[in-house]
Amino acid sequence: EVQLVQSGAEVKKPGESLKISCRGSGYSFANYWVAWVRQMPGKGLEWMGIIYPGDSDTRYSPSFQGQVTISADKSISTAYLQWTSLKASDTAMYYCARQSLHFDYWGQGTLVTVSS
Amino acid sequence: AIQMTQSPSSLSASVGDRVSITCRASQGIRKDLGWYQQKPGKAPKLLIYAASSLESGVPSRFSGSGSGTDFTLTISNLQPEDFATYYCLHDYTYPQAFGQGTKVEIK
Repeated sequence: EVQLVQSGAEVKKPGESLKISCRGSGYSFANYWVAWVRQMPGKGLEWMGIIYPGDSDTRYSPSFQGQVTISADKSISTAYLQWTSLKASDTAMYYCARQSLHFDYWGQGTLVTVSS
Repeated sequence: AIQMTQSPSSLSASVGDRVSITCRASQGIRKDLGWYQQKPGKAPKLLIYAASSLESGVPSRFSGSGSGTDFTLTISNLQPEDFATYYCLHDYTYPQAFGQGTKVEIK
């Protein structure tokens, strides 16, 4: 069974760093693109970027380029989303999703709350 | 970057109704478009891919059409479990992009 399991909810202060994870199982993790999607409270879905774990080829939305870093470790079937200095505006639910023909499997979401 | 304009932003309908949601791309994207359903507190769920292909397990009352710049999601015979928010997403090129979403509410 294909699954994407994300790390748990985080509460951070502005200026802190954070790395959240998305572990894939039940398929060949290296051979499928994995995307990250943001959903701010009460708002719509935003495509942030995508990585191919096989060779770490990564693409970003211009809106998120330079604001976050997407990475992956294919040896442990895990993709990551990282911030070096969080802002209150980063408060959101973050989803990872596998892309085959389309985004066919999704993680359960990681809620990130940034508050002083 | 290609922008996706989705309409309407919300609609009210009754059980048994037929509803349609549209997405317009700012440039041609062939048939590289999917439709997703999201219920409160849940991850999105794929309904339609490649503009008109029904994802396995999705009821046949959901259908998609269109190519190029104009796309439509149609829900025939609306069921209580269909009240949710729907999004289109193009995967024609990077960056990919979602529409703004359409909330389908009970009339």
